[in-house]
Amino acid sequence: EPEVTQTPSHQVTQMGQEVILRCVPISNHLYFYWYRQILGQKVEFLVSFYNNEISEKSEIFDDQFSVERPDGSNFTLKIRSTKLEDSAMYFCASRATSNQPQHFGDGTRLSIL
Amino acid sequence: AQSVTQPDIHITVSEGASLELRCNYSYGATPYLFWYVQSPGQGLQLLLKYFSGDTLVQGIKGFEAEFKRSQSSFNLRKPSVHWSDAAEYFCAVGPPGSARQLTFGSGTQLTVLP
Repeated sequence: EPEVTQTPSHQVTQMGQEVILRCVPISNHLYFYWYRQILGQKVEFLVSFYNNEISEKSEIFDDQFSVERPDGSNFTLKIRSTKLEDSAMYFCASRATSNQPQHFGDGTRLSIL
Repeated sequence: AQSVTQPDIHITVSEGASLELRCNYSYGATPYLFWYVQSPGQGLQLLLKYFSGDTLVQGIKGFEAEFKRSQSSFNLRKPSVHWSDAAEYFCAVGPPGSARQLTFGSGTQLTVLP
């Protein structure tokens, strides 16, 4: 069964550095999402992406964050000037149509030191 | 605004016992409803979904869930729990017919005793 894949599985970064989290959605999917889960908290929506543009973003997704689909397969989340509170598990998800469920990757655990 | 409540933070059951995890939602209309499971260090795996139709939906790993409109609930059940079911379970809702994002509950951690 096709899967959403995320790399790396664990990223350790110094505070203030930039980090790029990578995702390869399922190949025929059209809608893409990033969520995050701070340790011990619920999964929170960050941003959705469709037709090469952001369709919706949460209050969390401020100017520090950006997303890109640089080619036909990758979907990236960039976090500039990372802060300690950015430490979390970041999940990528994709879906084929609006009437299909989202499929999640295994996540990238981001640790900011 | 939509919200999802999972009132049980942690549930412990014995292997072979039945299980019910509660989920209540607040939404303007009947949303799409989902249950996801997260094993330690893993991602979110879809257990089952409800879009419309039969209010009792079957999922993977022997799980089922029942949508009750009058109670705004979508409780997850399994008749006989296996040790491998120990994980965290998340209920989520999404707007029907829309590709907008999911709203998750805070999760229920399931411990299975031998």
